[in-house]
Amino acid sequence: DIQLTQSPSFLSASVGDRVTITCRASQGISSYLAWYQQKPGKAPKLLIYATFTLQNGVPSRFSGSGSGTEFSLTISSLQPEDFATYYCQQFNSYPLTFGGGTKVEIK
Amino acid sequence: QAQLVESGGGVVQPGRSLRLSCAASGITFDYYGMHWVRQAPGKGLEWVAVISSDGGNQDYADSVKGRFTISRDNSKDMLFLQMNSLRTEDTAVYYCAGLRVPTTIPYWFDPWGQGTLVTVSS
Repeated sequence: DIQLTQSPSFLSASVGDRVTITCRASQGISSYLAWYQQKPGKAPKLLIYATFTLQNGVPSRFSGSGSGTEFSLTISSLQPEDFATYYCQQFNSYPLTFGGGTKVEIK
Repeated sequence: QAQLVESGGGVVQPGRSLRLSCAASGITFDYYGMHWVRQAPGKGLEWVAVISSDGGNQDYADSVKGRFTISRDNSKDMLFLQMNSLRTEDTAVYYCAGLRVPTTIPYWFDPWGQGTLVTVSS
């Protein structure tokens, strides 16, 4: 199974900050990575797929990068509605796996 | 607008069975490969099972293989998860999710349902 390790697991930041979350895969997964945002009591929401591609309707302050085993999600200027937990997911092979999550909280 | 609505969750004793349902609307359901993903309380996301758009192919996480069965009824735009021999570690919110890809080739998930809580406890 491909393991995904996210860092940090917890992040405290202020509105307007630039934030980067990292996702490391236990083996190469090319560009087969997606990112989700989850707010308490809600289903995950797709932000980015295939490492770089922004889902329709997702603000352009979100961006993704990486390839192989190292990936990142960047929020260029954190907004109040961005405080949430973020998960990466690999779709290189089954079983599909997720990172452990990064909780972004208000400083 | 795509909508997935899960139902069938509840409290069940270890060893018993439960069947979850997911009703789809706003999508051409028989074009979608469909999945179940679960999230234990306060924990991360775990993929559970996938079924192809025509129902002919399925795959499962090792943790549920032999106990859970994913199925679908395209005539009713419905997805199901039959869960047998439930264990306390199966306690989670179960989400149905899909993508407009007919096969079981791995992809991301969009849309997602709102989830249904399954609690396995004596």
